Amino acid sequence: EPEVTQTPSHQVTQMGQEVILRCVPISNHLYFYWYRQILGQKVEFLVSFYNNEISEKSEIFDDQFSVERPDGSNFTLKIRSTKLEDSAMYFCASRPGQRNEKLFFGSGTQLSVL
Amino acid sequence: LAKTTQPISMDSYEGQEVNITCSHNNIATNDYITWYQQFPSQGPRFIIQGYKTKVTNEVASLFIPADRKSSTLSLPRVSLSDTAVYYCLVGDNFNKFYFGSGTKLNVKP
Repeated sequence: EPEVTQTPSHQVTQMGQEVILRCVPISNHLYFYWYRQILGQKVEFLVSFYNNEISEKSEIFDDQFSVERPDGSNFTLKIRSTKLEDSAMYFCASRPGQRNEKLFFGSGTQLSVL
Repeated sequence: LAKTTQPISMDSYEGQEVNITCSHNNIATNDYITWYQQFPSQGPRFIIQGYKTKVTNEVASLFIPADRKSSTLSLPRVSLSDTAVYYCLVGDNFNKFYFGSGTKLNVKP
């Protein structure tokens, strides 16, 4: 089965630094998502992206966050001026495009802000 | 957005059938019901989706009563490897899928 690929698997950064988390969605998919999961908590929606623009975003996705699809394959999440509470597992997901099709998730990037 | 309620945790033994029920009293006409499975340190994985009555695939069945205010995920003959968190999602806006707190299933030998 095709996979969503995320890099790096682990990222350690200092508070206040900027990080970019990278994702390669499945090649023919049209909708892309970022979720995060703080240790021991539920999976939280951050943002969805379609046709080179944000479709929906949650209240978590403030000005500190941005997403980009810089080329035909990558989908990135940038976190500016990281805070301790940004430490979490970040999941990228994609889906083909039909209305009720399932999400395919990557294995995640574990971000640790020190 | 329909809110979902699931048991926080469940225990079972290998070989048993496990039924996890999700309540979604405010489900809307166009909403679908989708279940995901998540292992520790991995992304959620799609299990099954349905709109009404019964859906079955190679790993699970989904039972949805006529009023659609609840749904039950049925896992036949669970094994230790089915120990995971199971999430019920309800909605029709596929631009933003919200996960609830999930049910932590613990399968014992």
